[in-house]
Amino acid sequence: DQQVKQNSPSLSVQEGRISILNCDYTNSMFDYFLWYKKYPAEGPTFLISISSIKDKNEDGRFTVFLNKSAKHLSLHIVPSQPGDSAVYFCAATRGNTGNQFYFGTGTSLTVIP
Amino acid sequence: DSGVTQTPKHLITATGQRVTLRCSPRSGDLSVYWYQQSLDQGLQFLIQYYNGEERAKGNILERFSAQQFPDLHSELNLSSLELGDSALYFCASSVIPQETQYFGPGTRLLVL
Repeated sequence: DQQVKQNSPSLSVQEGRISILNCDYTNSMFDYFLWYKKYPAEGPTFLISISSIKDKNEDGRFTVFLNKSAKHLSLHIVPSQPGDSAVYFCAATRGNTGNQFYFGTGTSLTVIP
Repeated sequence: DSGVTQTPKHLITATGQRVTLRCSPRSGDLSVYWYQQSLDQGLQFLIQYYNGEERAKGNILERFSAQQFPDLHSELNLSSLELGDSALYFCASSVIPQETQYFGPGTRLLVL
């Protein structure tokens, strides 16, 4: 039962343009969402997060948008750089109970110079 | 470098065997998580420990077990290994449950 879904396995974007990575979830109880970036042969690294009390969180070139009614979040990278080429995972969890984090299957982003 | 260490980096073994994967969390982190990533799959949560006690269980097979020791390092034991157990196994840690998790570099297990 995949509660967090990333329906695009891959995405290619020109350097300098916007990259938009999407993520959908099914559990309306999720209230904390994260994005992780993963380079080959490395573990995922935390990128940005958002709580369900917000609909947007920004950190430099990275912005995460949350649409609770649609159970959808997206990660925008502007401008995209070749170093952003990696696999991006979204994750979701529920409350302060320490429940498990549910990860999507990842989207491989390639930024073309 | 996330501060989370995992050993070994690579492990090749045969079906039916037993292996132990080790994880040292970041200094100060009390919570440890184990994940499995098979080919073309997302990260599948296996199990979580907090300050030595099991906190949450995910899709962990009965052939697999884990524990967190008093010094907070954790071990994941995989027994009666099957070909399908070949995967990347990640450990992550956080200060407390619900906080952002920081991942180790993973252990790549190949079962032949």
